[in-house]
Amino acid sequence: AQSVTQPDIHITVSEGASLELRCNYSYGATPYLFWYVQSPGQGLQLLLKYFSGDTLVQGIKGFEAEFKRSQSSFNLRKPSVHWSDAAEYFCAVGPRAAGNKLTFGGGTRVLVKP
Amino acid sequence: NAGVTQTPKFQVLKTGQSMTLQCAQDMNHEYMSWYRQDPGMGLRLIHYSVGAGITDQGEVPNGYNVSRSTTEDFPLRLLSAAPSQTSVYFCASSKTGPREGYTFGSGTRLTVV
Repeated sequence: AQSVTQPDIHITVSEGASLELRCNYSYGATPYLFWYVQSPGQGLQLLLKYFSGDTLVQGIKGFEAEFKRSQSSFNLRKPSVHWSDAAEYFCAVGPRAAGNKLTFGGGTRVLVKP
Repeated sequence: NAGVTQTPKFQVLKTGQSMTLQCAQDMNHEYMSWYRQDPGMGLRLIHYSVGAGITDQGEVPNGYNVSRSTTEDFPLRLLSAAPSQTSVYFCASSKTGPREGYTFGSGTRLTVV
């Protein structure tokens, strides 16, 4: 069965510092990969996605993620964090075959210190 | 465009009561899903639909029913509420499926006492 692991439940980072959120997945074949962000009291918003090709993908709000097949990882990064990046971040995987199922990780809550 | 609209935003139920969580989208999306979000567990898929008249079970379907009579609406019914169903419920939709990414509603926070 597919699974997604986000090892860090909470991360605290200073404003202006870099941020990296880890995501590891277990899947039968290379899935589609996603990162979503959830601001407090809001629904989820898509940050970026990977299907194929260049393993470094750019997203909105200055985020990027790198797919590493050998490590079954899809880590999210941002070079310089802003206070508005405080939120919960979810990694998700989905099947390449037809279907509607996304599997989400448990989430990483990011706190930004001034 | 309103996007994905969920009502109500908050609800308190007594054990054994039934209710329907509403979800509507105005983007002509074929794919719609219901997720529940619990602390530390991410989002878990309850039911989903790939078009009007077509629904299927997700990871945690027990205690919930869905129907999809129109493209726009995808209500979630709790048949007999239990405290274990206390959660935040999200509805999501997509035009062509997961690879496009989902548009999420703002959620319904449900408490069962």
